[in-house]
Amino acid sequence: GAVVSQHPSWVICKSGTSVKIECRSLDFQATTMFWYRQFPKQSLMLMATSNEGSKATYEQGVEKDKFLINHASLTLSTLTVTSAHPEDSSFYICSASSEREGDTQYFGPGTRLTVL
Amino acid sequence: AQSVTQPDIHITVSEGASLELRCNYSYGATPYLFWYVQSPGQGLQLLLKYFSGDTLVQGIKGFEAEFKRSQSSFNLRKPSVHWSDAAEYFCAVRSNDYKLSFGAGTTVTVRA
Repeated sequence: GAVVSQHPSWVICKSGTSVKIECRSLDFQATTMFWYRQFPKQSLMLMATSNEGSKATYEQGVEKDKFLINHASLTLSTLTVTSAHPEDSSFYICSASSEREGDTQYFGPGTRLTVL
Repeated sequence: AQSVTQPDIHITVSEGASLELRCNYSYGATPYLFWYVQSPGQGLQLLLKYFSGDTLVQGIKGFEAEFKRSQSSFNLRKPSVHWSDAAEYFCAVRSNDYKLSFGAGTTVTVRA
């Protein structure tokens, strides 16, 4: 149990375009989903927290207009990187949690974004 | 604010040898502690967690961790490592708002 998927696993896009990344909890309903960014050889940096049906809460320094997060259902959250630039290239990881799972965060496999 | 320190950036261990990864935390209340493992290009997999109760916690893949409040530590151990244990290991503490703070990670290399 407690499986989280992400799609796509990798994406290459041109500068200026937008990219959407999906995060799904496959076998449980996730009341809260988290989005992280990870640079090579570094730890995870929390970008935002989203609760189903509510606006996402962004961490300090994260541009909410650039990284749009939607948590439309208890099993799906999306991150859209708008007007992507090369500096947005990174590994994006989501996690999902629920009370049933003891509020433990279970992570997706990540999405590698490369902006040319 | 909570924080986690993993003092060892990189550890090399021989296959079959024991492994111990250090984790020190800073948190005002009773901590909720986690160890995750990340293989290259992959997401994080939960190894084990400590919420309360027995201070020696058993996890998956033969890992265990011991919570020591007096030392603010939550070290991860495995008696005999396998080549497949080569990965990045992250210790994390959870705050009251359910956010995780991660340590910088420890890279484990297993030599034959």
